[in-house]
Order: sequence, then structure tokens, then C-alpha cells
Amino acid sequence: AQSVSQHNHHVILSEAASLELGCNYSYGGTVNLFWYVQYPGQHLQLLLKYFSGDPLVKGIKGFEAEFIKSKFSFNLRKPSVQWSDTAEYFCAVNARNGATNKLIFGTGTLLAVQP
Amino acid sequence: DTAVSQTPKYLVTQMGNDKSIKCEQNLGHDTMYWYKQDSKKFLKIMFSYNNKELIINETVPNRFSPKSPDKAHLNLHINSLELGDSAVYFCASSHVSRFGAFFGQGTRLTVV
Repeated sequence: AQSVSQHNHHVILSEAASLELGCNYSYGGTVNLFWYVQYPGQHLQLLLKYFSGDPLVKGIKGFEAEFIKSKFSFNLRKPSVQWSDTAEYFCAVNARNGATNKLIFGTGTLLAVQP
Repeated sequence: DTAVSQTPKYLVTQMGNDKSIKCEQNLGHDTMYWYKQDSKKFLKIMFSYNNKELIINETVPNRFSPKSPDKAHLNLHINSLELGDSAVYFCASSHVSRFGAFFGQGTRLTVV
């Protein structure tokens, strides 16, 4: 069965610090990978996605992620975080099988950025 | 215009009641979903409809019944609500041939 692991449940950083959130997945087939962000009290928003091609993908708000197939990883990075980046971050894998198209989410990482 | 909209945003109700949550998308997507986010923020898919046809039905109590009157709408009806149903329910939509999904604002359901 497909699964997604986010090992960092809670990360606290100071502004301007660099960020890396880990994401590992378990799926034997071709994967499509996503990072979603959920700001306090809000809905999920897509940060970035990987379908194919360049394994380093850039998303909104200065975020990027690197797909490393050999490590089954898709870590999220940002060189310098801001207080406004405080949110919950979810890694997800798209399990595509025929007509089904469902996202399997990791358990999320709560990022708190201190001013 | 809101791409995926859900109503209501908040729902407080007593155990045993029946309630519905509505979802509409104006993106022209052909697939819609319901996800449940529990108190620990864990997100799990419940249902998926493609062109009004149920294609994913995860292990969900049969008290939960999705209804899709057309491609743009996917409603969730819950019978005999229980305390454990308290959660945030997110509607989402996507095009089956394009991956990822757009999420609604969520409905925070509290069963007392």
C-alpha cells in the first residue's frame, strides 16, 4: 500500500533560518508528488508539484523541493523562512490507478517561525 | 470567484442528528473528493466521484453517504452523527488527467 512519511512533526525556526522538511513515500509505480500548505484556520493550498522531468521543482513563495527517486524522497526547502511561513505542511503522493486519482497525505509538519 | 466552495463553514450539532455538507466547484473538473482531517491534522480520503460516478470509497461507515447530482457538485450526508465524527471535512476537485487537487475551505463539524 502507498504511504507517505513526514518525520518532522513540529519544527521551530527563527526568521531567516533555512528550512528543510523531510518526506518519504512508499509506492512501487510512477509517482506524482506534492507539497501542500495549510495556514492557521485555512484550507490546503498547493505549494509545488512534481510530475516528471527536472527533479528540482520550484513552487510559490520561494519554496522548492527535490525528488530523489533512489531515496523515495521529496524534501521541501526554503533558504530563508519568514514569520508568515508559519503553517502546517503536508507532503502527498498521487496514487493513480486507472480512473482513480487520490492523494495520500503524510501526517503533516507544523512549522513555527519565530520573529 | 471561489474555485471550490463548501457550506457551511462551521457546523455544530448533537449526537444522533443527520446533517449535510455541500460542495461546489466551478473549475470544470471532472473528479471531486471528500477528505477528513482529524484533530491531529491527519488527512484521509473518504470518497471520490468521477463524472458523477463513485470511484473511491475508502473504509468509511455507511452513515456517510456522498451524493453527486452533477459534475460540479458533491454533497456529503451524515446520518446518526457520533462524537468521533467531529473533524474538518474538505471537499476537493481535480481533472482526472491532471494530478493534484484544489481544496475547499473546509467544514468544521463538531458533534456534542
